[in-house]
Amino acid sequence: AIQLTQSPSSLSASVGDRVTITCRASQGISSALAWYQQKPGKAPKLLIYDASSLESGVPSRFSGSGSGTDFTLTISSLQPEDFATYYCQQFNSYPQTFGQGTKVEIK
Amino acid sequence: EVQLLESGGGLVQPGGSLRLSCAASGFTFSSYAMSWVRQAPGKGLEWVSAISGSGGSTYYADSVKGRFTISRDNSKNTLYLQMNSLRAEDTAVYYCAKLVVVAATDGWYFDLWGRGTLVTVSS
Repeated sequence: AIQLTQSPSSLSASVGDRVTITCRASQGISSALAWYQQKPGKAPKLLIYDASSLESGVPSRFSGSGSGTDFTLTISSLQPEDFATYYCQQFNSYPQTFGQGTKVEIK
Repeated sequence: EVQLLESGGGLVQPGGSLRLSCAASGFTFSSYAMSWVRQAPGKGLEWVSAISGSGGSTYYADSVKGRFTISRDNSKNTLYLQMNSLRAEDTAVYYCAKLVVVAATDGWYFDLWGRGTLVTVSS
């Protein structure tokens, strides 16, 4: 199975900061990557698919980039409601797999 | 409103069985593949099983193959997960999720999630 490694595992940031999370795949996955946001006690929410396509209704401060093995999720200006855990997921190869998550905390 | 609502979780002893249900509303259920994803306490997300819109094709993670069975009743807009021979490591919140199947890769991602139901396997 393809392994996804996210970095960092956690980070502390302030409202208004630019935040970047990285997801690295153990082998090339083209652009078959999605990003999710999960708040405590809540279900995950789809943010980005196809590495860079913004899901309908998701604020434009979220963006994704990358292809092959290296991907990034960027939040251009962190808002209070963005403090959560973020997961990447590949869908290039069966079985679909998730990264271990990146927790974004308030500084 | 488009939503998924899971039920059926609870406390079960090791070796026991449990059946989870997921009621779908607000979309044409039979047109979409569906899935179960779980999250152990304090851990990340793990895909468990998936089923095509017709129910004719099913898929399982190696960790549950032979013990879990996914099914659906399109007349009732409901997805199921029959879990047998449960182990302590199956303890998790189980989420029902609607799939977007990507033709280019035959892979999928999850565009709608339920709120989850907690399964605890313990004596």
